[in-house]
Amino acid sequence: GEDVEQSLFLSVREGDSSVINCTYTDSSSTYLYWYKQEPGAGLQLLTYIFSNMDMKQDQRLTVLLNKKDKHLSLRIADTQTGDSAIYFCAEFESWGKLQFGAGTQVVVTP
Amino acid sequence: DSGVTQTPKHLITATGQRVTLRCSPRSGDLSVYWYQQSLDQGLQFLIQYYNGEERAKGNILERFSAQQFPDLHSELNLSSLELGDSALYFCASSETGFDNTIYFGEGSWLTVV
Repeated sequence: GEDVEQSLFLSVREGDSSVINCTYTDSSSTYLYWYKQEPGAGLQLLTYIFSNMDMKQDQRLTVLLNKKDKHLSLRIADTQTGDSAIYFCAEFESWGKLQFGAGTQVVVTP
Repeated sequence: DSGVTQTPKHLITATGQRVTLRCSPRSGDLSVYWYQQSLDQGLQFLIQYYNGEERAKGNILERFSAQQFPDLHSELNLSSLELGDSALYFCASSETGFDNTIYFGEGSWLTVV
């Protein structure tokens, strides 16, 4: 399958913005996703973006898509301690198969 | 709460044994997916069912099998368990099989000793 790559770790101060980056390889992907996994918990769908969009904003979350470079980012404004989690980027392949990245662990420090 | 329910939440079993993991999709969702999350492999797609029929297969071992029942709940059967099968098994569901919102359950933690 195609590879989705993410940086593994991000440390951010409370109140600052976090930016998590992801690159994908399948240019035919129709949807790209961000999921959040808190310790011992399941995968929470945070947001998704359709491939014909450049940007999507949802409250504190902003997703940017650069289709030419196959680059996806998630910006979290005013990062809070409750945002500490692992964030997974995923691309939609076919019939609901999602190709996930390895996840970025975000640690929010006071 | 995603609306996807998985049981059991935790399971410890011995090598060579067989276990069944159960999933109830969100109300109205026809498609069910199974994923495995392990430290070395990350999140891997196993299999998908749509309205009772298998639709897509991923990295699912022959020792594993799944089915979706007429009431749309699904079961993942893992047999001849090995230590390396220890992982978090996720079930997910979506309304169709080709839509943009796929919701995951909280997972079933399987430990093989």
